[in-house]
Amino acid sequence: DTEVTQTPKHLVMGMTNKKSLKCEQHMGHRAMYWYKQKAKKPPELMFVYSYEKLSINESVPSRFSPECPNSSLLNLHLHALQPEDSALYLCASSQDTDRNTEAFFGQGTRLTVV
Amino acid sequence: EDQVTQSPEALRLQEGESSSLNCSYTVSGLRGLFWYRQDPGKGPEFLFTLYSAGEEKEKERLKATLTKKESFLHITAPKPEDSATYLCAVRRTSGGSYIPTFGRGTSLIVHP
Repeated sequence: DTEVTQTPKHLVMGMTNKKSLKCEQHMGHRAMYWYKQKAKKPPELMFVYSYEKLSINESVPSRFSPECPNSSLLNLHLHALQPEDSALYLCASSQDTDRNTEAFFGQGTRLTVV
Repeated sequence: EDQVTQSPEALRLQEGESSSLNCSYTVSGLRGLFWYRQDPGKGPEFLFTLYSAGEEKEKERLKATLTKKESFLHITAPKPEDSATYLCAVRRTSGGSYIPTFGRGTSLIVHP
């Protein structure tokens, strides 16, 4: 099983709303990632969790707040977003960040900020 | 600086017309080169991992090869269902970790 599950699939939120994106994997992976992807662009790294600790934050604005409650779950809390934050948000996981292992991606959450 | 460059940006083929996609990279100490397929509005689907020059992997009509500077994804006798964006990624170093970093992708359209 190489499945990474993301919910919801679609989300529309206002600029004053608070919402959360969720990601789950049961492959025993210890590295989990959030990527942001705009149309016709490659995925861009936002955050990396390694062994449930935030190891990389690619200078992401504080209106995005990641959380890793346990080794299988990854959340992305959203607050006071801007319309330019509308994008496909992708979660991925890999065995860890040290080895030559592939990352597996979820199907993404299509976020629209109005 | 670690970089990944894919070409061409877009490719249109007739069904059955074989071709190749290119991924060139400059990384200090390659720790795997990865190919993904991405359909519109979906997450990238893992295809292959290549670790060392000379290595080849195959899956149905796709064959990935690796040299010291680049990788090719060969598509033999493509079908319309092969239409997608193909992404190449390498792990770049960041704070002691190795993070998947993507090229801009090749958008492939196969006409029936």
